[in-house]
Amino acid sequence: AQSVSQHNHHVILSEAASLELGCNYSYGGTVNLFWYVQYPGQHLQLLLKYFSGDPLVKGIKGFEAEFIKSKFSFNLRKPSVQWSDTAEYFCAVIRTDKLIFGTGTRLQVFP
Amino acid sequence: EAGVAQSPRYKIIEKRQSVAFWCNPISGHATLYWYQQILGQGPKLLIQFQNNGVVDDSQLPKDRFSAERLKGVDSTLKIQPAKLEDSAVYLCASSLTRGRTDTQYFGPGTRLTVL
Repeated sequence: AQSVSQHNHHVILSEAASLELGCNYSYGGTVNLFWYVQYPGQHLQLLLKYFSGDPLVKGIKGFEAEFIKSKFSFNLRKPSVQWSDTAEYFCAVIRTDKLIFGTGTRLQVFP
Repeated sequence: EAGVAQSPRYKIIEKRQSVAFWCNPISGHATLYWYQQILGQGPKLLIQFQNNGVVDDSQLPKDRFSAERLKGVDSTLKIQPAKLEDSAVYLCASSLTRGRTDTQYFGPGTRLTVL
């Protein structure tokens, strides 16, 4: 069973548009959630993570994500994207001490 | 701080050949991971080491894949013999400990093409 679902496979935006990428996970209990980003030609790097506490998590480069337990969601947001945000974004969850990734969302931002 | 190093960056082989990948984690990181990322999918954990011991290899196809981390630092992942479906990017990652809150740092990956 798929533990992490990212329904947007490819998103195309113009600069200054707002961004929201969906992420849903499929099991209950304590959750540790992550968003990773992979810029073209670069390695995967951590954008932000949620373990407990404030469900609104701030990450690097102006990104944030909100954990909504009742919806099993951890959507990534940015109010105004830049061309440099063009990348692939992966949501991930810790399950049985393993990091389980979604299939990724490819974001293209045009100037 | 130096990141996770991997080599080679690219490898092309024919099916039934063997191939090996090398990973050098961040200095001081006790935990090392190998992931397989097939095109269009997210990375999938193959094996996890804590120092030089295997913690989890439940998703490693052991009939053809093997991995070792003999001195608790560098690691090698081997495929023998390779199949077409092994074409993927092989990622190495490391973290300070096994803790759920520890961030995993990823290397650039090795892109394997099996013809």
